[in-house]
Amino acid sequence: GEDVEQSLFLSVREGDSSVINCTYTDSSSTYLYWYKQEPGAGLQLLTYIFSNMDMKQDQRLTVLLNKKDKHLSLRIADTQTGDSAIYFCAERGNNDMRFGAGTRLTVKP
Amino acid sequence: EAGVTQFPSHSVIEKGQTVTLRCDPISGHDNLYWYRRVMGKEIKFLLHFVKESKQDESGMPNNRFLAERTGGTYSTLKVQPAELEDSGVYFCASSQASSGRSEQYFGPGTRLTVT
Repeated sequence: GEDVEQSLFLSVREGDSSVINCTYTDSSSTYLYWYKQEPGAGLQLLTYIFSNMDMKQDQRLTVLLNKKDKHLSLRIADTQTGDSAIYFCAERGNNDMRFGAGTRLTVKP
Repeated sequence: EAGVTQFPSHSVIEKGQTVTLRCDPISGHDNLYWYRRVMGKEIKFLLHFVKESKQDESGMPNNRFLAERTGGTYSTLKVQPAELEDSGVYFCASSQASSGRSEQYFGPGTRLTVT
């Protein structure tokens, strides 16, 4: 099975909060990341969290990490139509990065 | 400063043919990575160069894939002969350092379609 799992789709209304969830399996992961991919573009690093933290906030983005349950979430406050994209969760252990399949966020006006 | 660029953006080839993908990393980035996303699934690591040396190629699926980075600048990924299951989006990324704190900058990807 996949090392990193995410739900594939999320649809919200403009102005609502979006919460994208992710579970991972490697307890030795040191960094966990959220990437955003807009149509036709590469992956853009949104934020990352070190494994000894449980929360990180950056403007409209809040990352929560539950290391015991190996659960990572990304909350986007006041979601805008420009936030529509695919969001990838990723973990990094000693060497390579492992990504989830991506969650396609659709923001309806 | 130019970001990571990849060429071509899209390639359509027939099964059995050869395709070469190119990645130009950000200038000065010693670390270069190749990833692949097949059929909307997870993005999987293929390999990692440090300058011209292969640091980790554990993700390369089989010997039909050959990656090179002569001179430690741009990199190529050749698929020969291509199979149907090789279809997907191939991403390249580069970073200054290889630690987890060092951000990997991704290119737009090359969409490979094998028919």
